[in-house]
Amino acid sequence: AQKITQTQPGMFVQEKEAVTLDCTYDTSDQSYGLFWYKQPSSGEMIFLIYQGSYDEQNATEGRYSLNFQKARKSANLVISASQLGDSAMYFCAMREDSGYSTLTFGKGTMLLVSP
Amino acid sequence: ETGVTQTPRHLVMGMTNKKSLKCEQHLGHNAMYWYKQSAKKPLELMFVYNFKEQTENNSVPSRFSPECPNSSHLFLHLHTLQPEDSALYLCASSQELIEAGTHYNEQFFGPGTRLTVL
Repeated sequence: AQKITQTQPGMFVQEKEAVTLDCTYDTSDQSYGLFWYKQPSSGEMIFLIYQGSYDEQNATEGRYSLNFQKARKSANLVISASQLGDSAMYFCAMREDSGYSTLTFGKGTMLLVSP
Repeated sequence: ETGVTQTPRHLVMGMTNKKSLKCEQHLGHNAMYWYKQSAKKPLELMFVYNFKEQTENNSVPSRFSPECPNSSHLFLHLHTLQPEDSALYLCASSQELIEAGTHYNEQFFGPGTRLTVL
């Protein structure tokens, strides 16, 4: 079974609108961390936001917020006020307490922002 | 130089060649990683080095050979590769706690080396 599932291969959004990228995860660990990365066409993976399994509040970083629903095992990324520069691949990743140092990535969602 | 750098950015090689990918991190981190990113597949972790010791080797073929001479440098030596090894190879680094805990530091990635095997 996949540990990280991103069901949206591609998403389209208009500039200045908000968009939600879905991510569900599967783990039996009580302690884990969830990450979102952005990969523009240049190839570099850029860290966006982190949510710990014991964090009671949803993480926010500027225009990025993580909608963490622990019971449903989902960690959706919300981008508010989309910008043209947000067009990229977005990857959800998980680090389990039992998987010291290692991240497991989803297949990614391609986001295209139109003017 | 800042962050994580990788050279070369692009590499084309024949199946009989020997080449090396280089990664350098300028962040003072103590862990480094090699990932492989193929088209339409999730990132695959290949190797992990913590404090210069290899701690993970995810069933990677022996034609890929990592080397970590110090905490700032990581190499991936390539020999007798196959066309299916063509991919983007990403290096990353992070600052790991001596004891695993509930605080996870993010991994910082380099720009990658686009490898084509003919």
